[in-house]
Amino acid sequence: QQQVKQSPQSLIVQKGGISIINCAYENTAFDYFPWYQQFPGKGPALLIAIRPDVSEKKEGRFTISFNKSAKQFSLHIMDSQPGDSATYFCAASGGSQGNLIFGKGTKLSVKP
Amino acid sequence: DSGVTQTPKHLITATGQRVTLRCSPRSGDLSVYWYQQSLDQGLQFLIQYYNGEERAKGNILERFSAQQFPDLHSELNLSSLELGDSALYFCASSVTGLTGELFFGEGSRLTVL
Repeated sequence: QQQVKQSPQSLIVQKGGISIINCAYENTAFDYFPWYQQFPGKGPALLIAIRPDVSEKKEGRFTISFNKSAKQFSLHIMDSQPGDSATYFCAASGGSQGNLIFGKGTKLSVKP
Repeated sequence: DSGVTQTPKHLITATGQRVTLRCSPRSGDLSVYWYQQSLDQGLQFLIQYYNGEERAKGNILERFSAQQFPDLHSELNLSSLELGDSALYFCASSVTGLTGELFFGEGSRLTVL
């Protein structure tokens, strides 16, 4: 399978700080790049997504930055809160296939 | 609540056994996906069905099989279980089966002893 590489594996941020998670992909046919949030004991849930025709998308405190030429995208969480503590997965899909290829996840801990 | 229902939530069984995991997609969703989540491998795509037909296949072992029924629910069958099959198995659904949001259930946790 085409890979999506995610870093860091874990992240500790103080309350009010900025959390940044990075992903890189290989397949230029990918045209949909979502971020999923997963809390313990729950399934992943869509947080925010972007398509390659824009370089940035913002929803509240969450922003995706997308660099098509570098084949990279990142999630920025502004004013991070303890309630943001979860595992975050980047993913990609494209062409005629709806299945998402996921990164390995980043465990975010926001300290009060 | 995503609207995707998975049963059972927890399952403990022995090596060599066979289990069946069940998934009911969101109302109106025609496509179902199965993923395996383990600590070291993250979320691995297994297989996708669209309106009863297999659409895409990922890293699914030959010991595993799946199907989507006319009422659109899906089952994942795992046989000749090994210790390494212990994982969370997620079902997700989407309307079209093309690129876009997947809605995940809460998973079935399989423990093989």
